[in-house]
Amino acid sequence: GDSVTQMEGPVTLSEEAFLTINCTYTATGYPSLFWYVQYPGEGLQLLLKATKADDKGSNKGFEATYRKETTSFHLEKGSVQVSDSAVYFCALPDRGSTLGRLYFGRGTQLTVWP
Amino acid sequence: DTEVTQTPKHLVMGMTNKKSLKCEQHMGHRAMYWYKQKAKKPPELMFVYSYEKLSINESVPSRFSPECPNSSLLNLHLHALQPEDSALYLCASSQDPGARGYGYTFGSGTRLTVV
Repeated sequence: GDSVTQMEGPVTLSEEAFLTINCTYTATGYPSLFWYVQYPGEGLQLLLKATKADDKGSNKGFEATYRKETTSFHLEKGSVQVSDSAVYFCALPDRGSTLGRLYFGRGTQLTVWP
Repeated sequence: DTEVTQTPKHLVMGMTNKKSLKCEQHMGHRAMYWYKQKAKKPPELMFVYSYEKLSINESVPSRFSPECPNSSLLNLHLHALQPEDSALYLCASSQDPGARGYGYTFGSGTRLTVV
């Protein structure tokens, strides 16, 4: 079945460092792909998405490119801030029988130090 | 209005209590979801409502009872819970019942503690 695999955390960076969080997927065809962010004590927010191969999603300085050749959707940011400290989840929708389910990766905790 | 509103934000209940969680959205989304999230884990799907009808029940124990009174409201009724049910309960909605292209809009959750 469809699934996502997300890099293990936690990730600790200094402010202004470059961030990459790896996400790879297994699916037939080309599903939409999402990154969600969860700030401490809050629910999840949709950070960015890509709905077809070669699309680039971007928001708040974060980017991710849907690469079908490597079945990847890595999250990147050129210069992280303390306020980016959160848990990041990669996700893709179930296109099979369980309509409405999103398959989430394990989540990656990011801590940014000043 | 682009939000999903959940109440209460925090709830402490005893194992013999009955309580309800409430979720509301006014974005015209036709699919609504309940997820359960334990600490340091991704959310786990519990229920899916599509066009106000229950379409998915992920083998959730009957002590959790969902209700969708109308297209904007989703409730989760709780009865005789166990301490292991303590978690963050997240409501979400989606323009597309399959969430295939739009993803979800999540509420901020209800943090439930069962004592």
